[in-house]
Amino acid sequence: GAGVSQSPRYKVAKRGQDVALRCDPISGHVSLFWYQQALGQGPEFLTYFQNEAQLDKSGLPSDRFFAERPEGSVSTLKIQRTQQEDSAVYLCASSLASGSVEQFFGPGTRLTVL
Amino acid sequence: AQKVTQAQTEISVVEKEDVTLDCVYETRDTTYYLFWYKQPPSGELVFLIRRNSFDEQNEISGRYSWNFQKSTSSFNFTITASQVVDSAVYFCALSERVNKLVFGAGTILRVKS
Repeated sequence: GAGVSQSPRYKVAKRGQDVALRCDPISGHVSLFWYQQALGQGPEFLTYFQNEAQLDKSGLPSDRFFAERPEGSVSTLKIQRTQQEDSAVYLCASSLASGSVEQFFGPGTRLTVL
Repeated sequence: AQKVTQAQTEISVVEKEDVTLDCVYETRDTTYYLFWYKQPPSGELVFLIRRNSFDEQNEISGRYSWNFQKSTSSFNFTITASQVVDSAVYFCALSERVNKLVFGAGTILRVKS
């Protein structure tokens, strides 16, 4: 497909479980972003990659959150020892270049922690 | 610090009415970008427009128009002759020199037939 894809679309985890969320950006897009969107709120920035380099991880809420993009394409957001407050939609976005150009968003992964 | 405020939590209009969604932003930078995104029930954010801080010219695209006023730090969005398909959550966002977007809380727009 031509757009950003994310998997799984829905994930239910028991508190304490580890989860891994995948993002496939648009082919050729250099920049990749992760955002967290709580219910009824706007997305909040988590982290940003330019190719394989993680240039900004200031939005990651704790050391339980880890993101990687080892080959500069697919990215994985991992959450260890999930807590109920981690329940949210996790959005991935990609853009063609660095700089403030438009970001194209995927459909998100809805994570529910019981 | 960057901040985006969308004071209208929810707006309901009847089809064919015009509606304006307000956005007020705060930034200390002189170079910044403003965006509007639409989030339909499917959940995917759809890019609508980007403006840079040096271009205050208003823009019209079909039934959509945007009014950027630096003097009041506002970037308002108007939909003319609203349609049911316009029902969605609309987000205003700000980006400074770095790449990340700072979003407002969003405005839910309900257009009734």
